[in-house]
Amino acid sequence: AQSVSQHNHHVILSEAASLELGCNYSYGGTVNLFWYVQYPGQHLQLLLKYFSGDPLVKGIKGFEAEFIKSKFSFNLRKPSVQWSDTAEYFCAVNAQNFGNEKLTFGTGTRLTIIP
Amino acid sequence: DTAVSQTPKYLVTQMGNDKSIKCEQNLGHDTMYWYKQDSKKFLKIMFSYNNKELIINETVPNRFSPKSPDKAHLNLHINSLELGDSAVYFCASSHLTRSNEQFFGPGTRLTVL
Repeated sequence: AQSVSQHNHHVILSEAASLELGCNYSYGGTVNLFWYVQYPGQHLQLLLKYFSGDPLVKGIKGFEAEFIKSKFSFNLRKPSVQWSDTAEYFCAVNAQNFGNEKLTFGTGTRLTIIP
Repeated sequence: DTAVSQTPKYLVTQMGNDKSIKCEQNLGHDTMYWYKQDSKKFLKIMFSYNNKELIINETVPNRFSPKSPDKAHLNLHINSLELGDSAVYFCASSHLTRSNEQFFGPGTRLTVL
């Protein structure tokens, strides 16, 4: 079974600081990887995803993530954060097996940006 | 132009009651899901249906019964509600074979008193 770890539970940054949120997964086979964002009181929105190909993927709102297979990691980055990035960020994985399409989520990282 | 919609958005009820949450998607997807987000924001899959057939059933009390009348709808019925059922329930949908990207609904905040 797959599992996901997000090591940072709460990150507080000032505007314009650079961001990196850690995500590690555990699964022996091929996976699809996702980062979702949940703004306060809202539903989950997809930031970016990795299925195959270039391990550096770019998402919306200036976010990017790098898949490092040898480290089982998919860290999320943004060079300069804004106050509007305050939200909960979830890393998720699913195995590329037909019939096993459930997303397994990490416990989330709360990001607070101070103006 | 809502993609995945849920009703109601908020649900406050007493312990022991039976309630339902409805979900509809207009994305033409063939797979729908229910997730539960607890008070610590942890998200966990509960059920998944593909073309009206149950394909994922995690360890969920049998008081929870999903029903999928067609590909575009997946409802969740909960019997004998307990305090621990208080959570936000998210519906999601995807196309099983084309892409694993799941689109989420706005959530239903259930509060059991």
